[in-house]
Amino acid sequence: GAGVSQSPRYKVAKRGQDVALRCDPISGHVSLFWYQQALGQGPEFLTYFQNEAQLDKSGLPSDRFFAERPEGSVSTLKIQRTQQEDSAVYLCASSSPQPYEQYFGPGTRLTVT
Amino acid sequence: AQRVTQPEKLLSVFKGAPVELKCNYSYSGSPELFWYVQYSRQRLQLLLRHISRESIKGFTADLNKGETSFHLKKPFAQEEDSAMYYCALYTGTASKLTFGTGTRLQVTL
Repeated sequence: GAGVSQSPRYKVAKRGQDVALRCDPISGHVSLFWYQQALGQGPEFLTYFQNEAQLDKSGLPSDRFFAERPEGSVSTLKIQRTQQEDSAVYLCASSSPQPYEQYFGPGTRLTVT
Repeated sequence: AQRVTQPEKLLSVFKGAPVELKCNYSYSGSPELFWYVQYSRQRLQLLLRHISRESIKGFTADLNKGETSFHLKKPFAQEEDSAMYYCALYTGTASKLTFGTGTRLQVTL
């Protein structure tokens, strides 16, 4: 069956540009997570949704980062005024019913120049 | 705060040799530990979790609460085991996974 999909797979942005990253979770999955993975590091938690409710956004590094999931399925992670330190792979994961068994998407590699 | 440590960035072993990927954690509550694996050009996927106490692809991991460890073991490494391995800690209160920095396992002939 279809897994988690993310688009675009690669994004190059000039410093200061806004970007939007999309995640399509597995159909019916209640929980959705965003992670940031810098080079040579493990994924780091950004934010968590249960249906359309954003229950935890403690990992968002600054107020330039914003995530939404308005209808409880597709989610968008938006980064405003991108900085070089935002360069990373952004991973989306979904799960149901147990939030710990997470299915990951292929990631979006963001490069800020 | 919870933390996961994987001390080795790279582990290189010969085919047929035993493998042990180390993972230590710090968490004051009752942890749930997982191993995720990422093969070349594939996405991150769940390998095994401590609570199920099962063997997947010949790998096992035992949670040692006294040593706060969850090492991944396999008696005989295969070439297809070459991949990036991440240890992860789940805390129900936060509903998130905390990952280690990962260990690259390289199995050579």
